[in-house]
Amino acid sequence: GQQVMQIPQYQHVQEGEDFTTYCNSSTTLSNIQWYKQRPGGHPVFLIQLVKSGEVKKQKRLTFQFGEAKKNSSLHITATQTTDVGTYFCAAGGTSYGKLTFGQGTILTVHP
Amino acid sequence: GAVVSQHPSWVICKSGTSVKIECRSLDFQATTMFWYRQFPKQSLMLMATSNEGSKATYEQGVEKDKFLINHASLTLSTLTVTSAHPEDSSFYICSASGLAGGPRDNEQFFGPGTRLTVL
Repeated sequence: GQQVMQIPQYQHVQEGEDFTTYCNSSTTLSNIQWYKQRPGGHPVFLIQLVKSGEVKKQKRLTFQFGEAKKNSSLHITATQTTDVGTYFCAAGGTSYGKLTFGQGTILTVHP
Repeated sequence: GAVVSQHPSWVICKSGTSVKIECRSLDFQATTMFWYRQFPKQSLMLMATSNEGSKATYEQGVEKDKFLINHASLTLSTLTVTSAHPEDSSFYICSASGLAGGPRDNEQFFGPGTRLTVL
């Protein structure tokens, strides 16, 4: 079945530093979604990318979808303590909108 | 809008008992609901996909007779963990999709999760 590899597993940064997490698939994806899960919470939808080479921004967050639609990245500029949590990519496009989640990147921000 | 509730938020039970978890879409009709389990510091593992009025589709390795799913209406799906054992202890999360049309029709809305502890 569809698999999505996400790295790194953990990332510790000082507040103000940038952060990037990457997702890769061996197969072409129809779309990719990004979710954030705060400690003790549930995943919350951030964005969906559909088009090859697509770049979307949400304030300090920049999302990219690769030209071949096999990889994606989430970049956070100047991290804040409110950014802590686990960031998941999720590949969509299978039957009934089923998502395949990456392993997640746990982000810790030190003040 | 697009709120999903889950009940109970946590449950502790004895080994061998059955536990039912409810997932409700509060302000939209969910054509499809998904059930995941998540171990600490790990990813979400899809257990099954359920559509209203039809049998759930289980992922490989998930026992149908152990994890009973019922999707009785467009706003309610239940997961029953039958004869629970300590290894079933986990965080169970449901999600719902169904905002047909527009840019959010693939989006899944997650419930707050149910933490199950089996003694």
